[in-house]
Amino acid sequence: EDKVVQSPLSLVVHEGDTVTLNCSYEVTNFRSLLWYKQEKKAPTFLFMLTSSGIEKKSGRLSSILDKKELFSILNITATQTGDSAIYLCAGYGGATNKLIFGTGTLLAVQP
Amino acid sequence: GAGVSQSPSNKVTEKGKDVELRCDPISGHTALYWYRQSLGQGLEFLIYFQGNSAPDKSGLPSDRFSAERTGGSVSTLTIQRTQQEDSAVYLCASSRSSNQPQHFGDGTRLSIL
Repeated sequence: EDKVVQSPLSLVVHEGDTVTLNCSYEVTNFRSLLWYKQEKKAPTFLFMLTSSGIEKKSGRLSSILDKKELFSILNITATQTGDSAIYLCAGYGGATNKLIFGTGTLLAVQP
Repeated sequence: GAGVSQSPSNKVTEKGKDVELRCDPISGHTALYWYRQSLGQGLEFLIYFQGNSAPDKSGLPSDRFSAERTGGSVSTLTIQRTQQEDSAVYLCASSRSSNQPQHFGDGTRLSIL
């Protein structure tokens, strides 16, 4: 059965800290891995990763994929209170080509 | 509109009633998805429409759930004879094609009394 597992389930840090969120996957016919940030309502798209070892970066956020070890990490440097959210990881693939989501990591950044 | 639009934003109804949820995808997006998100759970795939192809209904939890996509644009998700376990946030997403990032609406929060 296809699955995506995220860790930790939740994390509390202070502003300025650096955090690393983990995502491991077992997805048949794997094509890509996506990260989303969910605050109050709609998940917003952060990154889509298709190739191993190539870091994608957007401001203080970066992500990388390891297709050999079947995992991805999302790094956030110099965290701010506005980074507080649930971070969702999803693998795209499976028998019928769809996103398989993990349960998310709840990040709380304290001032 | 610029993003995926869902309505209503909140729906409270009595057990046993039928409900209809609407999704207006981003213009030009051929792929449309419905998900369900329960408290403390990840997003659960429900159904997927791609262009004029037959929809992938493999995630629908029971035959009380159905969805349509008319004219390749607006979609409605219908839940018949609602039950308390149907209470959740129902999210719709669209993408340019099936292998492109999905963009989500704000969801409909459904509460069954």
